[in-house]
Amino acid sequence: GEDVEQSLFLSVREGDSSVINCTYTDSSSTYLYWYKQEPGAGLQLLTYIFSNMDMKQDQRLTVLLNKKDKHLSLRIADTQTGDSAIYFCAEKGDSSYKLIFGSGTRLLVRP
Amino acid sequence: EAQVTQNPRYLITVTGKKLTVTCSQNMNHEYMSWYRQDPGLGLRQIYYSMNVEVTDKGDVPEGYKVSRKEKRNFPLILESPSPNQTSLYFCASSRRQAFTVDYEQYFGPGTRLTVT
Repeated sequence: GEDVEQSLFLSVREGDSSVINCTYTDSSSTYLYWYKQEPGAGLQLLTYIFSNMDMKQDQRLTVLLNKKDKHLSLRIADTQTGDSAIYFCAEKGDSSYKLIFGSGTRLLVRP
Repeated sequence: EAQVTQNPRYLITVTGKKLTVTCSQNMNHEYMSWYRQDPGLGLRQIYYSMNVEVTDKGDVPEGYKVSRKEKRNFPLILESPSPNQTSLYFCASSRRQAFTVDYEQYFGPGTRLTVT
């Protein structure tokens, strides 16, 4: 069935780049997402990419999609302490009603 | 402001005491959904609704009920809560498009439920 996997934890120093990785199994995934969840808060859609794209850049965020390997990554440039949060990768097929989420990667930014 | 609201945000209850978590959206979305979030498991879909009076089970529906009497509201009902339903619950909504839903889903702020 569908599955999305992420590493559970990433620690970086403030000012460095962070790269959060995700793999998925559903080859019919049409939309791939990155959500951010700050402590005690809901889910914030950070960015998304369509499966016919390889890369999407939005200010400090760069999303890379390797469809052949079913690998998605989120790069955060110049990581700040305010970026500390849990980051969820999710995918949705074109004819699917639901999002399939990974388990989330907790990003800790050290001063 | 376009939003999905949930109430209550926090709830502590005891085993067996019926409770309802409300969800409301002001975007005239046809599709609404409930997810639960558990550590190490991400979010899993409980129930969803494609329109008024149309609901269907998600991946983890056991122990939950839903209803969709109005387009804007989609309450989640726990008839007899148990400790394994302690979780963080999210409601989401989206526009319906043809036989599917729009790529963008809007999430509520979450309801943290503890069942003792």
